[in-house]
Amino acid sequence: RKEVEQDPGPFNVPEGATVAFNCTYSNSASQSFFWYRQDCRKEPKLLMSVYSSGNEDGRFTAQLNRASQYISLLIRDSKLSDSATYLCVPKGGMRFGAGTRLTVKP
Amino acid sequence: EAGVAQSPRYKIIEKRQSVAFWCNPISGHATLYWYQQILGQGPKLLIQFQNNGVVDDSQLPKDRFSAERLKGVDSTLKIQPAKLEDSAVYLCASRTDYNEQFFGPGTRLTVL
Repeated sequence: RKEVEQDPGPFNVPEGATVAFNCTYSNSASQSFFWYRQDCRKEPKLLMSVYSSGNEDGRFTAQLNRASQYISLLIRDSKLSDSATYLCVPKGGMRFGAGTRLTVKP
Repeated sequence: EAGVAQSPRYKIIEKRQSVAFWCNPISGHATLYWYQQILGQGPKLLIQFQNNGVVDDSQLPKDRFSAERLKGVDSTLKIQPAKLEDSAVYLCASRTDYNEQFFGPGTRLTVL
């Protein structure tokens, strides 16, 4: 079983919508994670950390559900510039998920 | 602060040829990674260095891939001989003490 698994999408949403996607993980000992965003033909860039207490940064909210072993990323009031692939990885781990592709349309 | 530097940015070679990629991590980052990213997939770890020592190379195809970080700073990744399926983006990343990885712009390799 892969260390992390993600719904590849694509998620196509209109501007202003709220969208959420999950990342499931197999190692029950994992306590924190990172979300990265990767724009087309660019390198991944760190978006935010996820701890058991969750994390919020502007329009982005990340949560960790340890009982069900998944993390989530919620984007509110989505912008065209949010279009990217979102990757999750356990903190300290090197096995990235395949990524979830988000397209925000006008 | 300067980011992770990689060169070349693009490389086109024919199968069975050799190729080398170079990476200069963020100053002070002891941990360096090389990833292979095939279109539509997440980055796949090839090798992890801690200073000049190898921590994890379990997914490195050692019959054709090699990597080194002799002085614990710059690193090179070599493929010899290349196969068609090696066409991918090769990403180098270095890591802070808080496990945050910072990626270079990558080298896009096309094997014909």
